[in-house]
Amino acid sequence: DVKVTQSSRYLVKRTGEKVFLECVQDMDHENMFWYRQDPGLGLRLIYFSYDVKMKEKGDIPEGYSVSREKKERFSLILESASTNQTSMYLCASSLQGGSTEAFFGQGTRLTVV
Amino acid sequence: GESVGLHLPTLSVQEGDNSIINCAYSNSASDYFIWYKQESGKGPQFIIDIRSNMDKRQGQRVTVLLNKTVKHLSLQIAATQPGDSAVYFCAENTGGYNKLIFGAGTRLAVHP
Repeated sequence: DVKVTQSSRYLVKRTGEKVFLECVQDMDHENMFWYRQDPGLGLRLIYFSYDVKMKEKGDIPEGYSVSREKKERFSLILESASTNQTSMYLCASSLQGGSTEAFFGQGTRLTVV
Repeated sequence: GESVGLHLPTLSVQEGDNSIINCAYSNSASDYFIWYKQESGKGPQFIIDIRSNMDKRQGQRVTVLLNKTVKHLSLQIAATQPGDSAVYFCAENTGGYNKLIFGAGTRLAVHP
């Protein structure tokens, strides 16, 4: 079974802290994605990566950065956490090409206080 | 159906009835349209997809219909079961790196 693992289910951080959210996939997928999910807004794409060290901005990249040093790992970084970044964060991975199926992790619920 | 805003639309059905969840999409150039199911406390799971050159695709108990004229997508679930209770998202695959753009979601509540 494809597995996408996010390092934490719940996190509480203080305003101004640097926050790292980690995601690991075990299916050798080229593509990896970070979304945030807020009530009534669906999933919004923050950043994605299609190869090691490659990254592209999604729809809401402001306040975030990413790192992909190894194919299986994609990290989301909040340089200086703010309360409006309190949200559910979802990582996903997929193959390149015609496949449309993206596999999601269970999510990290981040609260910034 | 789908809507934008703070309130998640809810579809309530009786167990055994058929369910129809609707979605409007925006990008005429999308290659694929996909339905995801998200149960409480879990990440979204793929249900079914349809390529843009098709208008209907069937899976096990599910059917997806695509109307490109009005940019409308629907998911039909036959004989809805309590285990179908979840939030359902439609998504567009805009091509390239399989980047998915999601709708706001619809909550399906199945009552015995």
